[in-house]
Amino acid sequence: SYVLTQPPSVSVAPGQTARITCGGNNIGSKSVHWYQQKPGQAPVLVVYDDSDRPSGIPERFSGSNSGNTATLTISRVEAGDEADYYCQVWDSSSDHHVVFGGGTKLTVL
Amino acid sequence: QVQLVESGGGVVQPGGSLRLSCAASGFTFSSYGMHWVRQAPGKGLEWVAFIRYDGSNKYYADSVKGRFTISRDNSKNTLYLQMNSLRAEDTAVYYCAKDGSGYDPDAFDIWGQGTMVTVSS
Repeated sequence: SYVLTQPPSVSVAPGQTARITCGGNNIGSKSVHWYQQKPGQAPVLVVYDDSDRPSGIPERFSGSNSGNTATLTISRVEAGDEADYYCQVWDSSSDHHVVFGGGTKLTVL
Repeated sequence: QVQLVESGGGVVQPGGSLRLSCAASGFTFSSYGMHWVRQAPGKGLEWVAFIRYDGSNKYYADSVKGRFTISRDNSKNTLYLQMNSLRAEDTAVYYCAKDGSGYDPDAFDIWGQGTMVTVSS
């Protein structure tokens, strides 16, 4: 089955840039989606189809995807960005499974 | 406004059954695929099941295949998850989520607030 690997944690100072990676075999051939989840809340879609933003999501959130790694980039990080972030793909092989990465805790120092 | 509201969670004994519901409003429910996703306490997100816009295709995680059944009633704008043979490891918050597509899974653009299921004797 397809596996997505994320670092458990990323720390960044306010105003700096955070990069959260999502590794998978030839993930560049898939569409990657990213979700933000704050404690006690439901997840929220922040990037879809590798690099598109839903309406209402700040331009500070961007994404890229190539080779074996997809990346969520958060520019000018704010305290309110502290949350868990998950990548997700659709594995359309014989498994027909949706796959989530293990999640990355973003800490704003 | 676009909204998903889950219900039906609770405490159930191992081996028991439970049916979750998800009431949708603010969008054309019959045009979109729908998912169930769960999150065990302190753990990450785990996809559970998907149903196509018209119910013609359903996909399940290996961990629930043969025990859980996803269904929908487009006349009632409601999604369901029938959970049988429940185990302790099924304890989690269960979210319903709207897919951005109708046909095959895409991004999950709207999520409900979740309903807690606890499997314990």
